[in-house]
Amino acid sequence: SYEVTQPPSVSVSPGQTASITCSGDRLGDKYTSWYQQKPGQSPILIIYEDKKRPSGIPERFSGSNSGNTATLTISGTQAMDEADYSCQAWDNSFVVFGGGTKLTVL
Amino acid sequence: EVQLVQSGAEVKKPGESLKISCQASGYSFTNYWISWVRQMPGKGLEWMGAIDPSDSYDRYSPSFEGHVTISADKSISTAYLQWSSLKASDTAIYYCARPLVSPRGPSEAFHIWGQGTVVTISS
Repeated sequence: SYEVTQPPSVSVSPGQTASITCSGDRLGDKYTSWYQQKPGQSPILIIYEDKKRPSGIPERFSGSNSGNTATLTISGTQAMDEADYSCQAWDNSFVVFGGGTKLTVL
Repeated sequence: EVQLVQSGAEVKKPGESLKISCQASGYSFTNYWISWVRQMPGKGLEWMGAIDPSDSYDRYSPSFEGHVTISADKSISTAYLQWSSLKASDTAIYYCARPLVSPRGPSEAFHIWGQGTVVTISS
């Protein structure tokens, strides 16, 4: 079965750029979505189809996907961006989530 | 407002059965698949499976097939997740989710999420 892998944790200083990766075999040939989840809350879709943002998602969130790696980039990271981030792909009608990355804003 | 409202927290014993629900409102229930997603304590999201409410066609992750059943009642815009024999390892938060677009396809992304149902299995 298809798998995607994320680093368990990423740290960033306020105002800097955070990058969170999601790796999988030929992931660039698939669409990747990204979710933000804060403690005690349901996930929120922040990126879909690799780089599109749903209405209401700040422009500092962006995405890319090429080769075997999809990347979520948060520009000008704010304290409120501290959360768990999960990538998600679709493979032959099955949905696959990465294990999640805890973003710490130091 | 488009929303999914899930049933409340459950505490059950191993071996017992359980059925939790997810009621949709604000859109045409039969136009979008509903997926169920598990989140074990301190862990990531896991897709369990999905159902097309228009005809109840379902699709399960190999990791969950045979252990849970997904169903839907379009007359009351409600999807269900059920177990016939619970295990302690079923302790988790369960979310229902609706994709951004229909029909299902390679760009599937979950835009609408329920609030989650906490299921605790303990003897």
